[in-house]
Amino acid sequence: DVKVTQSSRYLVKRTGEKVFLECVQDMDHENMFWYRQDPGLGLRLIYFSYDVKMKEKGDIPEGYSVSREKKERFSLILESASTNQTSMYLCASSLQAGSSYNEQFFGPGTRLTVL
Amino acid sequence: AQKVTQAQTEISVVEKEDVTLDCVYETRDTTYYLFWYKQPPSGELVFLIRRNSFDEQNEISGRYSWNFQKSTSSFNFTITASQVVDSAVYFCALSEASGDDYKLSFGAGTTVTVRA
Repeated sequence: DVKVTQSSRYLVKRTGEKVFLECVQDMDHENMFWYRQDPGLGLRLIYFSYDVKMKEKGDIPEGYSVSREKKERFSLILESASTNQTSMYLCASSLQAGSSYNEQFFGPGTRLTVL
Repeated sequence: AQKVTQAQTEISVVEKEDVTLDCVYETRDTTYYLFWYKQPPSGELVFLIRRNSFDEQNEISGRYSWNFQKSTSSFNFTITASQVVDSAVYFCALSEASGDDYKLSFGAGTTVTVRA
């Protein structure tokens, strides 16, 4: 079974703090994704990575950065957390070949609250 | 522009009733893929089904069935004889072959509550 794990299920941070969300997948997938999920908006793509050290902006990259130093690990960084970044964050991975066809496999999500 | 629209925000049914989830999509591509994902209370989205744009054959898999109609750009999903374990948020998603081929566009989701 594909396994995508995220470092925390729940996180509470203060405004201005630097926040790291970690994601690890164990199926040797090339593609990894970070989404945020908000009520009424579905999932919105923050950043995408198709290889180690490679990244591309998604639909809402402002206020976020990412790091992919190893194939299995993809980190989302909030340089200075703000209250409008309170959300559910979901990590996903997929095979690269035939990407538009491949389903994505998701982690359990991290519910981040910024006070 | 919203590429995937799920007009139903919430659906509540009693166990054993059928539930149909609507999904309307928008694309100019001739090759694309449509997906349904389920998100139970645990939070992890689970892939349910995929359909490509060249295959309009509707299928049944256990209690799940889907109705793909290109003429109306709809990809509806039905749960037959619903069970409490079907309570979840269901997302429809679109992937376009000619665009950013990694990108999934999700609808806003439909929350299904099945009451015992």
